[in-house]
Amino acid sequence: EAGVAQSPRYKIIEKRQSVAFWCNPISGHATLYWYQQILGQGPKLLIQFQNNGVVDDSQLPKDRFSAERLKGVDSTLKIQPAKLEDSAVYLCASSPYGTAQYNEQFFGPGTRLTVL
Amino acid sequence: AQRVTQPEKLLSVFKGAPVELKCNYSYSGSPELFWYVQYSRQRLQLLLRHISRESIKGFTADLNKGETSFHLKKPFAQEEDSAMYYCALEGGGNKLTFGTGTQLKVEL
Repeated sequence: EAGVAQSPRYKIIEKRQSVAFWCNPISGHATLYWYQQILGQGPKLLIQFQNNGVVDDSQLPKDRFSAERLKGVDSTLKIQPAKLEDSAVYLCASSPYGTAQYNEQFFGPGTRLTVL
Repeated sequence: AQRVTQPEKLLSVFKGAPVELKCNYSYSGSPELFWYVQYSRQRLQLLLRHISRESIKGFTADLNKGETSFHLKKPFAQEEDSAMYYCALEGGGNKLTFGTGTQLKVEL
């Protein structure tokens, strides 16, 4: 089966600009995740969707970050305006079932964002 | 709050030598622990899960609740084991908390 797709793979912007990332999960997967991975750190969960509803966005900086998953399939993550500390790899993952029990997450290749 | 600690940023071993990647966690409940691996230019992927109690690519990991540890071990390192390894904890809701990762370098 095709894996999780993300675009773009790389993005360079200046601070205070806006940027958007796109994720297409594995077909039929109910749950979608966005992670932020800063250099030298492990991935940190930003937001978790089950179908088209938000399950957890407690670690999403809502003053500048937003995310949506229209129709319960694709998702976009937006940063507006970007700050230098937003430079990171943004990973999207999906899992087949809901969040009531553990089920394996499958990761995309990530988008590397550089904010100058 | 849940936390995963991987004390080594880099671990360098010779081919054929034993490998142990350390992971400690803090969590008030009964966690599920995992090891994820990222090979060069590849995606992050699940290596093994403590509850499965299986050996994957020769790697094993035992959950020690007394020491709150979940170290990853392999008796004989291979060149293809060189990768970034992340320990992760799932404390409910299928949400993962990752450690900072250990880069394993297997030298010939």
